[in-house]
Amino acid sequence: EAGVTQFPSHSVIEKGQTVTLRCDPISGHDNLYWYRRVMGKEIKFLLHFVKESKQDESGMPNNRFLAERTGGTYSTLKVQPAELEDSGVYFCASSQDRASPSGEKLFFGSGTQLSVL
Amino acid sequence: AQRVTQPEKLLSVFKGAPVELKCNYSYSGSPELFWYVQYSRQRLQLLLRHISRESIKGFTADLNKGETSFHLKKPFAQEEDSAMYYCALRPNFGNEKLTFGTGTRLTIIP
Repeated sequence: EAGVTQFPSHSVIEKGQTVTLRCDPISGHDNLYWYRRVMGKEIKFLLHFVKESKQDESGMPNNRFLAERTGGTYSTLKVQPAELEDSGVYFCASSQDRASPSGEKLFFGSGTQLSVL
Repeated sequence: AQRVTQPEKLLSVFKGAPVELKCNYSYSGSPELFWYVQYSRQRLQLLLRHISRESIKGFTADLNKGETSFHLKKPFAQEEDSAMYYCALRPNFGNEKLTFGTGTRLTIIP
């Protein structure tokens, strides 16, 4: 079974440009989460989708960030315009309501390293 | 509001020596506590949960409610343990919205 896939793995852009990050959750997972780790700080929750609906977007930093999940499958996170403080690693995770045999419920992707210069 | 504190950003330990990664939390209710690990060029993955009370890859962690701690321990470090370790908390309800600590980078010296 394929895991959570994130694209690109790295992105280097200039301040003011636009970047779109993509996340493909595990097939059948209704829940999709975005998290972000800014250098030296904790991994912070950004938002949570249940299928195509935003369940909780309390962690979104400001209106330069736009997340979508049309059709309830993959999700995109767009940053427009990007600022220096947006640099960090953006993680996507997905889950279904029941745990796997190992007890793991939340499955993460490898993250997208975003560098804004 | 909940908070997770990992006081050590970096920790270097010799191979074969004991390892302890510290984690303290603050939360008014009864949370679930987790340790996640990210090996080089791999995804963030669950290492262990306090409710399972099991040992994974030789690691254990005991929830101490009195000290609000969930320290991760291993008696004999191995080179493959080198990784980034994150302690995380989940309120005991609802979804998988986790609160993470800042992480500890563990390096095992051969």
